[in-house]
Amino acid sequence: EVRLVQSGAEVKKPGESLRISCKASGYSFTSYWIAWVRQMPGKGLEWVGIIYPGDSDTRYNPSFQGQVILSADKSISTAYLQWSSLKASDTAMYYCARDLSSSFQNWFDPWGQGTLVTVSS
Amino acid sequence: SSELTQDPVVSVALGQTVRITCQGDSLRNYYVSWYQQKPGQAPVVVIYGKTNRPSGIPDRFSGSSSGNTASLTITGAQAEDEADYYCGSRDFSGYHHVVFGGGTKLTVL
Repeated sequence: EVRLVQSGAEVKKPGESLRISCKASGYSFTSYWIAWVRQMPGKGLEWVGIIYPGDSDTRYNPSFQGQVILSADKSISTAYLQWSSLKASDTAMYYCARDLSSSFQNWFDPWGQGTLVTVSS
Repeated sequence: SSELTQDPVVSVALGQTVRITCQGDSLRNYYVSWYQQKPGQAPVVVIYGKTNRPSGIPDRFSGSSSGNTASLTITGAQAEDEADYYCGSRDFSGYHHVVFGGGTKLTVL
């Protein structure tokens, strides 16, 4: 069974750093891109960026470029999303998802269960 | 970058057919995928590549597309179909760049 299991909820203060994780199992981790998606409270889905664990190639939504960093550790089949200085506006649920894109389509399956990040003073 | 537009709220009577639409310029070039999200749960893909349904998704879910508009149709809506539905497609910014619609909240009456 293909699964993505994310790390638990986090409560942080503004200015703090954070790294959340997404552990893959049931498939070849280095053969598929992993995407990250943000969902702010009561709002829709926003594509944050994507990483190819095979060589750590990354792409970012311009709205998130410079605000977050994507990384991956092939040895433990885990992808990461990290912030160096959190803001209250980073408060959201963050999902990872396996990317199954091909010539004219992009789609994600499966999705992790989500990690709730709360940033509050 | 691209934008995808969805009606915020749609309702359907139990057992009836409902169509949820998604409009955007990127849909003229790229296929849409549809995601169902129930409260407190992660999204689940229900349609990809315009008309493909992953295993385990009931055949009452179907997709279609014409021009800049894609549609998700639920034929014989069930109570458990009440959820938020999001469309997604490739963004003109690049192969792996994705844009999502704002979502449609489906209520089954």
